[in-house]
Amino acid sequence: AQSVAQPEDQVNVAEGNPLTVKCTYSVSGNPYLFWYVQYPNRGLQFLLKYITGDNLVKGSYGFEAEFNKSQTSFHLKKPSALVSDSALYFCAVRVLSESGAGSYQLTFGKGTKLSVIP
Amino acid sequence: DSGVTQTPKHLITATGQRVTLRCSPRSGDLSVYWYQQSLDQGLQFLIQYYNGEERAKGNILERFSAQQFPDLHSELNLSSLELGDSALYFCASSRGALTNEQFFGPGTRLTVL
Repeated sequence: AQSVAQPEDQVNVAEGNPLTVKCTYSVSGNPYLFWYVQYPNRGLQFLLKYITGDNLVKGSYGFEAEFNKSQTSFHLKKPSALVSDSALYFCAVRVLSESGAGSYQLTFGKGTKLSVIP
Repeated sequence: DSGVTQTPKHLITATGQRVTLRCSPRSGDLSVYWYQQSLDQGLQFLIQYYNGEERAKGNILERFSAQQFPDLHSELNLSSLELGDSALYFCASSRGALTNEQFFGPGTRLTVL
């Protein structure tokens, strides 16, 4: 089955330290990968995506993600964490929908709660 | 603000009832997606409409249905509600039919008592 996995339910990091939120994927073919962030009582916000090209993708709010084909990973990173980065982070992959030819859907990981400690 | 609007923000109803959730996509977006978020199931894709036509179907129960109208707003109808249907329901929109960057609304929190 095509899926993504976020192995950590929670990540704690001190303010100013680098942060990494992990994601691994399992898809056939070339993956389309995404990161979204959800703040409390809000909808998801798009952070960045990988479709093709450079393995290091830069996104919103200083976040970046590294695509690693051999390790089937797409980890989210930030050089220096802010308290305001505390939120729920979702990795997602575009998969072929079973419902119709040429249609796709996003499959999300379970989410990782990031807490940045002042 | 993503530009996607959802109403109502909160909905409390009883088992067996029927409710309708409404979504207006960003200006210019032709695709609307519906998702259900719950603690035990996480974020689950329900269904996608593109320019009025059903495009992709996910884990949507037969008691649930959706449609997209000519003005591109969408409604998700949930009937014969059960306690387990209590969840956050999100709508998202995107420019085209193929799923890439999606813009999410603030969600409707449904509580079934």
